[in-house]
Amino acid sequence: DTAVSQTPKYLVTQMGNDKSIKCEQNLGHDTMYWYKQDSKKFLKIMFSYNNKELIINETVPNRFSPKSPDKAHLNLHINSLELGDSAVYFCASSQEIAGGWYFGAGTRLSVL
Amino acid sequence: QQQVKQSPQSLIVQKGGISIINCAYENTAFDYFPWYQQFPGKGPALLIAIRPDVSEKKEGRFTISFNKSAKQFSLHIMDSQPGDSATYFCAASILGSNYKLTFGKGTLLTVNP
Repeated sequence: DTAVSQTPKYLVTQMGNDKSIKCEQNLGHDTMYWYKQDSKKFLKIMFSYNNKELIINETVPNRFSPKSPDKAHLNLHINSLELGDSAVYFCASSQEIAGGWYFGAGTRLSVL
Repeated sequence: QQQVKQSPQSLIVQKGGISIINCAYENTAFDYFPWYQQFPGKGPALLIAIRPDVSEKKEGRFTISFNKSAKQFSLHIMDSQPGDSATYFCAASILGSNYKLTFGKGTLLTVNP
């Protein structure tokens, strides 16, 4: 049973469209994250939610809007997609005291 | 400002050799230092982690060496195998504070048969 699952795995879309990526974790963790991995494989945090509350917002354009309906889910909605948004987006979860961030398999977003 | 610096960017090792990847950090408040392994098309997977109260941690062929005074830590892969070929990331965080996990830029390891 997958610990952190995100859908879809691939997303190909045109510039200007709006798209969403969904993430669910079954680890019982309190904190969930979105990370962006660029073409050079650099992993950079975008957002963090702790028990449905936004904790970290790393100067991400406001076209990106995370939403956490409950502590097991963290979705990412992107408006007006741009070419530069093409990347792999990873969802992750952690239990803060114990450490150990667990990542999903990623969503490869290609904006044409 | 890059808080975790990782080197080398790429590394080629022969089967059976030792792979060594180094990281340096700046924030002395960091107290959790994991290493992640990422295969193509997959998410990063936790490999091994260390807290600053110990200088070394070993799990199988993987060892973390930690030098608190130098603010450096390294991953050693003994008896490297072709199946170890992947991208390795060091990272750092502050536990218990909702702090983010900050990654190094990654090392692409290739182990030749």
